[in-house]
Amino acid sequence: DTAVSQTPKYLVTQMGNDKSIKCEQNLGHDTMYWYKQDSKKFLKIMFSYNNKELIINETVPNRFSPKSPDKAHLNLHINSLELGDSAVYFCASSYTTGNYEQYFGPGTRLTVT
Amino acid sequence: TQLLEQSPQFLSIQEGENLTVYCNSSSVFSSLQWYRQEPGEGPVLLVTVVTGGEVKKLKRLTFQFGDARKDSSLHITAAQPGDTGLYLCAGFSVGADGLTFGKGTHLIIQP
Repeated sequence: DTAVSQTPKYLVTQMGNDKSIKCEQNLGHDTMYWYKQDSKKFLKIMFSYNNKELIINETVPNRFSPKSPDKAHLNLHINSLELGDSAVYFCASSYTTGNYEQYFGPGTRLTVT
Repeated sequence: TQLLEQSPQFLSIQEGENLTVYCNSSSVFSSLQWYRQEPGEGPVLLVTVVTGGEVKKLKRLTFQFGDARKDSSLHITAAQPGDTGLYLCAGFSVGADGLTFGKGTHLIIQP
């Protein structure tokens, strides 16, 4: 059974489009995250949700909006996609906030043309 | 802003050699985690070190947390091709916005 799953694995779209990436975890964790990994493999946190409440919002453009229908799901919606949004996006979860192991999904490679 | 600097950025060695990867910061961390990421996959946790001076071993991998909790190292003995991957250190501080990741060390072990 996959602990953290993301769909789609690959996403190719044009500038200006709106797209969503879905994430689900079956670990019973309270906290979920979205990370962006750029072409140089630098992993930077975008958002985290704890029990459906946003607790971190880094300096991410408001074109990005996380949505959590329940604590097992954290989806990422992106409006008006730009070339610079091209990256690999990882969903992750942990038992709760703080110093706990984070379990990462397989990533979604987003390419904006 | 807390930063973690990893060195070297790239390392390619022959099977059987030993190597050390470093993770340094000017900030103190409550704990430090090491992850390994393989192509097309997400990072996977290898170890968490919490106490200054702590040493943890995972088979041929030895992790050390600096006494001042500002730095850490990963030593691999008799490297094997299966050790190839991107090694990421990540620091946690109480009150900070989640984990801070280093930029990673790309390790290639050639047979």
